Amino acid sequence: GQNIDQPTEMTATEGAIVQINCTYQTSGFNGLFWYQQHAGEAPTFLSYNVLDGLEEKGRFSSFLSRSKGYSYLLLKELQMKDSASYLCAVMDSNYQLIWGAGTKLIIKP
Amino acid sequence: DTAVSQTPKYLVTQMGNDKSIKCEQNLGHDTMYWYKQDSKKFLKIMFSYNNKELIINETVPNRFSPKSPDKAHLNLHINSLELGDSAVYFCASSQEGGTGANVLTFGAGSRLTVL
Repeated sequence: GQNIDQPTEMTATEGAIVQINCTYQTSGFNGLFWYQQHAGEAPTFLSYNVLDGLEEKGRFSSFLSRSKGYSYLLLKELQMKDSASYLCAVMDSNYQLIWGAGTKLIIKP
Repeated sequence: DTAVSQTPKYLVTQMGNDKSIKCEQNLGHDTMYWYKQDSKKFLKIMFSYNNKELIINETVPNRFSPKSPDKAHLNLHINSLELGDSAVYFCASSQEGGTGANVLTFGAGSRLTVL
């Protein structure tokens, strides 16, 4: 079956750096997405990786290793507003998105 | 504002009732979706429509039916509501399905509570 694994919850301190991991087993691969979802709100797109390596976008970076079925989202200079759930999703060979359950990130002052 | 808008935002109803959730996008996207997010926060695809053609129909009960009068609208009708239907339903759209870099824009969600 297809599966996306990510930690349920993480806690970090304001101003610090946090890395949220995602591992996947899917039938085929056409890219990996990270979305941010604040409580009670809609998911919003953060990043897309289809080739191995690091994609940097401001304070957020996303890394992909296709051979390892692994990605991480790196958040730097954490702010209180970064408290949210972070959803990892993989597009399989049929171009269907397979979603992880999300990682709830709690930022403490 | 360009967006995906869905109504109502909150819906409380009794078991056995029939209800609808409406969704509209003015982004000019070709594909629209309905997702269900349950209490465990998994996002599960229910339907997607591309140019008024159903292209994904996951194994959802046939009490759920999508209706798309045009490519800017995808409404969700639910018949004979059950307790297990309680969830947040998200409408989304994308420029086109069937490609890798298929970024979804989500509506704000409709929280359905079945009593």
